[in-house]
Amino acid sequence: EIVLTQSPDTLSLSPGERATLSCRASQSVTSNYLAWYQHKPGLAPRLLIHGASNKATGIPDRFTGSGSGTDFSLTITRLEPEDFAVYSCQQYGSSPITFGQGTRLDI
Amino acid sequence: QVQLQESGPGLVKPSGTLSLTCTVSSGSISTTNWWSWVRQPPGKGLEWIGEVYYTGSTKYNPFFKNRVTISVDKSRSQFSLNLTSMTAADTAVYYCARTSGFFGFVWGSYRPTPFFDYWGQGSLVTVSS
Repeated sequence: EIVLTQSPDTLSLSPGERATLSCRASQSVTSNYLAWYQHKPGLAPRLLIHGASNKATGIPDRFTGSGSGTDFSLTITRLEPEDFAVYSCQQYGSSPITFGQGTRLDI
Repeated sequence: QVQLQESGPGLVKPSGTLSLTCTVSSGSISTTNWWSWVRQPPGKGLEWIGEVYYTGSTKYNPFFKNRVTISVDKSRSQFSLNLTSMTAADTAVYYCARTSGFFGFVWGSYRPTPFFDYWGQGSLVTVSS
């Protein structure tokens, strides 16, 4: 199975700053089928990005996904207070589906 | 918009069987989407358990294959997870989720690409005597 490694584990930033989160795959992700999710305690996970760079419905422009092959990133420009959460990547090009361990974005 | 809600016991005894149900509302379960179970053990990343189609077709993560059954009840707009031989390592928040409606060639066939556009809020399951 494909192992996804996210870095850093924790990222401490301030509102207004730019965040760059990394997701590295142990082998190439088929068709760049990679998604990003945002998690907050007690809430349903929220889909942000699919297909490495396609924003899900209603996702603000400050969220951008990029990358291909084995290296992917999620960039959040001008952090808002509501962006502080945990972010996970998921590959779905190969079975079984696998997720990264998550990056916590802290104020 | 589609809503998913998990229900089931919060406590399961070691060697017991976990049974969880996900109720789909504000939308039909009999669509081109697949329906999945995903879990997150404390301090760890998410783990995909498996998925079911409204016809009853299933696909499981080999890690769980000998212990898992996922089924669907169209009449109730529900799908369910059964996980046998539970141990402390199965303590986790269990989520149900809907696979997207975006079609693509994946896993050897043309089908909805399995990222998740709607999730339930999650159900904490603790394995303890």
